[in-house]
Amino acid sequence: DTGVSQDPRHKITKRGQNVTFRCDPISEHNRLYWYRQTLGQGPEFLTYFQNEAQLEKSRLLSDRFSAERPKGSFSTLEIQRTEQGDSAMYLCASSSPPGPNNSPLHFGNGTRLTVT
Amino acid sequence: AQSVTQPDIHITVSEGASLELRCNYSYGATPYLFWYVQSPGQGLQLLLKYFSGDTLVQGIKGFEAEFKRSQSSFNLRKPSVHWSDAAEYFCAVGPTGTASKLTFGTGTRLQVTL
Repeated sequence: DTGVSQDPRHKITKRGQNVTFRCDPISEHNRLYWYRQTLGQGPEFLTYFQNEAQLEKSRLLSDRFSAERPKGSFSTLEIQRTEQGDSAMYLCASSSPPGPNNSPLHFGNGTRLTVT
Repeated sequence: AQSVTQPDIHITVSEGASLELRCNYSYGATPYLFWYVQSPGQGLQLLLKYFSGDTLVQGIKGFEAEFKRSQSSFNLRKPSVHWSDAAEYFCAVGPTGTASKLTFGTGTRLQVTL
């Protein structure tokens, strides 16, 4: 178990540019989640996948945001035409399917985005 | 809609003292409750979880939490705090049977004085 890996750790971009983040979940986990955390707040749910299917998206996920998990393994989160309000920590988490042990979320260390 | 309230934004305790972090939740059914800890610039690490059964749950690093349905609370405790426990602590609630779409509180920042 190598844990959830996110890349890059930090991203500084200028307003209007596009950015893409990558998340590699724990290998045996089929569920993958994206959360956003702004300063002084708890993480807020953005979207989640079961295998390659995107099952739910939050209203926080505007049209400028798109997430994919093409082969049911790693996932990417793209933000188009970034705005200063997009500055946040983007956290990825994974879990195994619901079952008797109700697997909790395992989080990565996040990608901190700064939009200047 | 589910929600979590952590009424204490910041708590300072002396090393060796006991600790209790408060968490109140609002949820229409039997909740699935968690405590996570986050060090600066890092992701969240699971301390413990409650799904059913014994209302006093033990976690890692000597933490425990007690589920009180009548008070809609899930407070985190530790008998003796260590300086390395300084971090941000988040309580979260989710639907029973699945860990998806957790709702987090705003967190409590713990400072430990020597």
